[in-house]
Amino acid sequence: QVQLQESGPGLVKPSETLSLTCTVSGYSISSGYHWYWIRQPPGKGLEWIGNINHSRTTYYNPSLKSRVAISIDTSKNQFSLRLTSVTAADTAVYYCARDFRGSGNDAFDLWGQGTMVTVSS
Amino acid sequence: EIVLTQSPATLSLSPGERATLSCRAGQSVRSYLAWYQQKPGQAPRLLIYDASNRATGIPARFSGSGSGTDFTLTISSLEPEDFAVYYCQQRTSWPLTFGGGTKVEIK
Repeated sequence: QVQLQESGPGLVKPSETLSLTCTVSGYSISSGYHWYWIRQPPGKGLEWIGNINHSRTTYYNPSLKSRVAISIDTSKNQFSLRLTSVTAADTAVYYCARDFRGSGNDAFDLWGQGTMVTVSS
Repeated sequence: EIVLTQSPATLSLSPGERATLSCRAGQSVRSYLAWYQQKPGQAPRLLIYDASNRATGIPARFSGSGSGTDFTLTISSLEPEDFAVYYCQQRTSWPLTFGGGTKVEIK
């Protein structure tokens, strides 16, 4: 059974860098699929942040592209998100997810439980 | 960016009733539209992919239809566990985008 689990600080100061990791169990991320970060501000809808595959090919949301980086560590079976220069607008639940068929632009059939990140001094 | 507009924002229905949710795209997404269900405190769950295909384990009371710019998610007879927020998502072009959601609440 494949599972995803987000981890990282729940509180980040404005202007600093948000760093989260998603640990995948039950599947080797070097075997395929694209791996995603998606966020949801409190009481609002979902926003795709970006994704990466085992070849380290990345796609980013243009609205965040200048501040975001997604990396993958196949030895640890993890992928990570870095978001720089955060503001209160980056306060959200951050989800990691896997796409349905590994095409890179697909629906998402597997999600982590989500982790709440608050940007505040 | 392809904007997805969901309507209505809130749907108030009773168990056993039929729910019809709409998702309209700002430009054609062909059939590349998915639907998700989200309950409070939980991650979204994939219900429908490519407009009309039920994901694994999704009950037959959930069905999707449409192509191009107009899509519908139908719940034929609402069960108590179906009261939730529903989102559509397109995968036709980058950036991947979601609709704003429709909340199905108990009347």
